[in-house]
Amino acid sequence: QKEVEQNSGPLSVPEGAIASLNCTYSDRVSQSFFWYRQYSGKSPELIMSIYSNGDKEDGRFTAQLNKASQYVSLLIRDSQPSDSATYLCAEQTGANNLFFGTGTRLTVIP
Amino acid sequence: DTGVSQDPRHKITKRGQNVTFRCDPISEHNRLYWYRQTLGQGPEFLTYFQNEAQLEKSRLLSDRFSAERPKGSFSTLEIQRTEQGDSAMYLCASSGTRGVETQYFGPGTRLLVL
Repeated sequence: QKEVEQNSGPLSVPEGAIASLNCTYSDRVSQSFFWYRQYSGKSPELIMSIYSNGDKEDGRFTAQLNKASQYVSLLIRDSQPSDSATYLCAEQTGANNLFFGTGTRLTVIP
Repeated sequence: DTGVSQDPRHKITKRGQNVTFRCDPISEHNRLYWYRQTLGQGPEFLTYFQNEAQLEKSRLLSDRFSAERPKGSFSTLEIQRTEQGDSAMYLCASSGTRGVETQYFGPGTRLLVL
């Protein structure tokens, strides 16, 4: 049984702070991981993908993958109120479909 | 706009009625996925197509659900004899086929079964 675990939150951070979102997964075979952002009532939009151990940076976002610990994280630097959303962690199986966690709700307080 | 499109965006129906949703993927993408999302949960995989072939179906896809992609372009998802438990957001995503490809989601169809 695949599991992707996320803290449902809500996670609140002040504007300008670093938000840290965490995700653990159970399937050691999983190779590809994705972070999606979802605003209330909207569909998920891709933030980052990561396939290799280590860090991957894109603007204010950094994804971290540790396959030995089966752990994926997303850091958001200089958090803005517009970053307030639910962040979904997903793993991609060999069959290509995505397996999602339940999401972490982030609130950035002005 | 060349993203994934879905129609309708909202559907209200009575229990027992049939509904059909349409998804138009990004034009160069030949993989198409359907997901269902209920409140407070992440999207759950339903089925996926590569071109016109339906290659995988989740156990969530009961016999009341059927999906087609007859010409390898747009896809339809039909739910027969809807139940209140079918109320959810139905999301379509598409991707290419070169190695690991990112899935891009459409705006979704929100279904409410009364």
